[in-house]
Amino acid sequence: ETGVTQSPTHLIKTRGQQVTLRCSSQSGHNTVSWYQQALGQGPQFIFQYYREEENGRGNFPPRFSGLQFPNYSSELNVNALELDDSALYLCASSLNPRGAKNIQYFGAGTRLSVL
Amino acid sequence: GESVGLHLPTLSVQEGDNSIINCAYSNSASDYFIWYKQESGKGPQFIIDIRSNMDKRQGQRVTVLLNKTVKHLSLQIAATQPGDSAVYFCAENKGLTGGGNKLTFGTGTQLKVEL
Repeated sequence: ETGVTQSPTHLIKTRGQQVTLRCSSQSGHNTVSWYQQALGQGPQFIFQYYREEENGRGNFPPRFSGLQFPNYSSELNVNALELDDSALYLCASSLNPRGAKNIQYFGAGTRLSVL
Repeated sequence: GESVGLHLPTLSVQEGDNSIINCAYSNSASDYFIWYKQESGKGPQFIIDIRSNMDKRQGQRVTVLLNKTVKHLSLQIAATQPGDSAVYFCAENKGLTGGGNKLTFGTGTQLKVEL
């Protein structure tokens, strides 16, 4: 177990709706990254949060947004859901974003289905 | 463009045999690589990492080899066990403009252990 917890485990939404996914990082970790994993693919980086600020972003539209809280937990929000947003959403926490060796530890993910 | 790719999508081995999973990368400036294992219904689990100033690194039953000349990584699993059945990803750790790091994953290799 990595100590990274995500909720909910599964979620079903319809096209156009909004969704919020949650992540609690491993104790002592101040950096949270979010990834989207489509079926049969490797995870794709969405963004990273460090000390409540977005620290970097992948190639995802603005309707993907996030927050990090003072306790380092994080939320991923997706507005105007599209069918292609159906995927496993993974949260990873790490000790700090700038270390030469920055191991990211993953949660089990939230499986989102958009109908 | 930058990519991290795997040579074989599926690898079947007999229990007790050694497994070798290969990975190619395209960015010669990459300096840190990680192998993850992902079991069905779970998030990626850190296995082992290697920096570009090393050619080889060993862990418990696993060895990672890095050949910078041909931009190739391999993960060797000794005495493969049924519990090793999973999808294996190599990931390239890349710096972000904001100072953080992101992981770029390949598609993955499905390892199947036959009894």
